[in-house]
Amino acid sequence: QKEVEQNSGPLSVPEGAIASLNCTYSDRGSQSFFWYRQYSGKSPELIMFIYSNGDKEDGRFTAQLNKASQYVSLLIRDSQPSDSATYLCAVNINTDKLIFGTGTRLQVFP
Amino acid sequence: ETGVTQTPRHLVMGMTNKKSLKCEQHLGHNAMYWYKQSAKKPLELMFVYSLEERVENNSVPSRFSPECPNSSHLFLHLHTLQPEDSALYLCASSQDWNQPQHFGDGTRLSIL
Repeated sequence: QKEVEQNSGPLSVPEGAIASLNCTYSDRGSQSFFWYRQYSGKSPELIMFIYSNGDKEDGRFTAQLNKASQYVSLLIRDSQPSDSATYLCAVNINTDKLIFGTGTRLQVFP
Repeated sequence: ETGVTQTPRHLVMGMTNKKSLKCEQHLGHNAMYWYKQSAKKPLELMFVYSLEERVENNSVPSRFSPECPNSSHLFLHLHTLQPEDSALYLCASSQDWNQPQHFGDGTRLSIL
């Protein structure tokens, strides 16, 4: 079992819709969870981080964490074509070690 | 501008060459990281330095040699690389192990 799993996509959503990106992880002891956005040919850019169960909102982005079910999700409201990118889920498995998923490619079409 | 600067942005080298990648962070962070990103693969952690001390070496071949002279600078020395080492090499920094990591723009490395 992979430590951090994401559906590779592509996930296609129309402009203005809600995009829902999901990630599951294997280590129940994980404490820190991050979402990064990566445009083609660019480096990862931090979008959200969450440490506690529940929802965390920042503008159009909401991160949701459920430690009991070992999943973390990212919702993007009012999706824009500029949101088209690969979204990477990352989880701290243990001290100093951040494990990344393979990423989900999101396509927002006009 | 992420506060993490990597040079060079692109590097082409032969298998017998020796070169170094440089990373500098202006964020006052205590930890720095090297990652490798190959096509169709997740980001792979290579090395972790915390307060200039190496705390993680993720089974990386010895042809990659890191150096961290102070908390702001990180180097990756390369020698006798293989074609499969062609990838995007990313440097990142964070305040602490469980804090968000901020990435540089990366060095695109091609081995001939």
